[in-house]
This record gives sequence, structure tokens and C-alpha cells, in this order.
Amino acid sequence: DVKVTQSSRYLVKRTGEKVFLECVQDMDHENMFWYRQDPGLGLRLIYFSYDVKMKEKGDIPEGYSVSREKKERFSLILESASTNQTSMYLCASSFRTAGSYEQYFGPGTRLTVT
Amino acid sequence: DAKTTQPNSMESNEEEPVHLPCNHSTISGTDYIHWYRQLPSQGPEYVIHGLTSNVNNRMASLAIAEDRKSSTLILHRATLRDAAVYYCIRGFGNEKLTFGTGTRLTIIP
Repeated sequence: DVKVTQSSRYLVKRTGEKVFLECVQDMDHENMFWYRQDPGLGLRLIYFSYDVKMKEKGDIPEGYSVSREKKERFSLILESASTNQTSMYLCASSFRTAGSYEQYFGPGTRLTVT
Repeated sequence: DAKTTQPNSMESNEEEPVHLPCNHSTISGTDYIHWYRQLPSQGPEYVIHGLTSNVNNRMASLAIAEDRKSSTLILHRATLRDAAVYYCIRGFGNEKLTFGTGTRLTIIP
């Protein structure tokens, strides 16, 4: 079974703190994604990566950065957390090869910034 | 811009078929139609995808209109475990899929 794990299910941080959200997948997937999910807005793509050290901005990258030093790990970084970054964060991964169309999601991290 | 339109919510009785509609009138020729669902307190999970022909798998069936401007996800016999938010997504391959707000499906025992 494909497994995508996220470092925490719940996280509470203070405004201005630097926050790291970690995601690890065990299926040798090339693609990895970070989304945030807010009520009434659905899932929105923050960043994605199609290879080690490669990254591309998604629809809402402002206030976030990412790091992918190893194929299995994709980190989302909030340089200076703000209250409007309180949200559910979801990581996903997938193969890049043609004919592969399924993204596998982790359980999510609910981040609260106070 | 989700580029698809789905009803906000639907209800269905347990053990009856469920038809979840999706409108994607501006779909391009290379866009696939993907369906994901999100159970309570979980991340989304893949259900099915298709391009032109109807598709079946162990979870569901996907019926795609001949003009590809709409599709319907069919759950043949709904169970309480099928209660979830269902997302219809158009896109090419598995990159940069845009999730909208989906349809919240309630199953009535």
C-alpha cells in the first residue's frame, strides 16, 4: 500500500514563528504536492515538486517556501507564521510517468496559528 | 477557478445507487476527468478517471457524455461508508489538479 505520512496531525504555533511541515512518501514517486484546505474554498495548491531540488509555484505560494532534498521527503516552510495561515495542510504524491493519474494524499496537518 | 460545477450537497438512501453529476463545459480535448473523495478527517482518495469512454472499477463507474461537457459518477450501491465529499476535477495527467468545493454526499440509513 502506498503510504504518505505527515509529521503531525495537529500543530499550534505562535504568530511570527518559523514552521516546518514534513511529508514523506514510500512509493518512489517523482511528484509531490502541498495543498491547503479551507472551508468553502476547497483544496488549493501551494507548491509542487517533480524531482529532487525542483519546485514550482502553485496557486497560492505567497508566505510559503518548500524544500525537497530527498526524493521521498517534501517540506513546507512558513517563514513567519501568520493567523491567516491557520488551515488544514495536505501533502500528496504521484508518479510522473504517462498513464499514471492518481495522487495519493496524507492524512493532513491541522495548523493553528495564534 | 475549479473549472467544474457540482451540486453542493446530495442525499441518498443506503443500498441504493447514487448518481453524482459534474459539469465541465469548457473542457479541452486533452483534459481527463478525475474523481476523488474525502472521507471525514482524512485526506482525499482517488476514485476513478476517464477521458472519453465510460469507465468502471471496483469503487465506482464514470459515465462521460458524448460531448464531454458533463460526467456522472455512479456508486452502484451506496453504503454509510460512502458518505464523503466528492470532487470532480478536470486536468491533464496527475499534475496541478484543481480541486473545487465538491459535493457533500449524505447517506441515509
